[in-house]
Amino acid sequence: DTGVSQDPRHKITKRGQNVTFRCDPISEHNRLYWYRQTLGQGPEFLTYFQNEAQLEKSRLLSDRFSAERPKGSFSTLEIQRTEQGDSAMYLCASSWERGLGANVLTFGAGSRLTVL
Amino acid sequence: AQKITQTQPGMFVQEKEAVTLDCTYDTSDPSYGLFWYKQPSSGEMIFLIYQGSYDQQNATEGRYSLNFQKARKSANLVISASQLGDSAMYFCAMREGTSGTYKYIFGTGTRLKVLA
Repeated sequence: DTGVSQDPRHKITKRGQNVTFRCDPISEHNRLYWYRQTLGQGPEFLTYFQNEAQLEKSRLLSDRFSAERPKGSFSTLEIQRTEQGDSAMYLCASSWERGLGANVLTFGAGSRLTVL
Repeated sequence: AQKITQTQPGMFVQEKEAVTLDCTYDTSDPSYGLFWYKQPSSGEMIFLIYQGSYDQQNATEGRYSLNFQKARKSANLVISASQLGDSAMYFCAMREGTSGTYKYIFGTGTRLKVLA
């Protein structure tokens, strides 16, 4: 168990470019979450997957954002035509969903995006 | 509506003293879970403690305990014998269990500084 891995850790891009982040969850976890965190704020929910199915997407997420989790393993989060307001830390987390109980989220170290 | 409220943007505590970080929540779901996470300056979110809505006793994990007052909808984190390494951001989070959404909602956090 190597934890949740995110790549790249840092990304600097120019406004209008596309960026993609990758998340490798803990292998036995069936749930995968994406959050966005800006400076001084708590993580803000973006979307989550149960295996390969995307079950919920935040209404705050514009159609420039898309996430996939092919085969229920790793996930990618793509941001098209980046804007300066997209600058944030993008956090990935995974969990083993077993209904009621402490389905603890395990977070990765995050991918920090800076849009110039 | 804000579901998780942390009213203390920043707190100071003397080393070896105890400190309480406040969290109130709002839900009509009878089944829910409450979590506390620590985020050091390195950025990675670290799970500290969990309290289920049906748990009869307050959760404890080493120096961390959760003061759960269900009627008041509060879930305060108590850190005993503070250490310099406890300096970090602390986030309270909630997951509702039966509403069909399984996203975790986070508060805005409290920055704790432990003084030597």
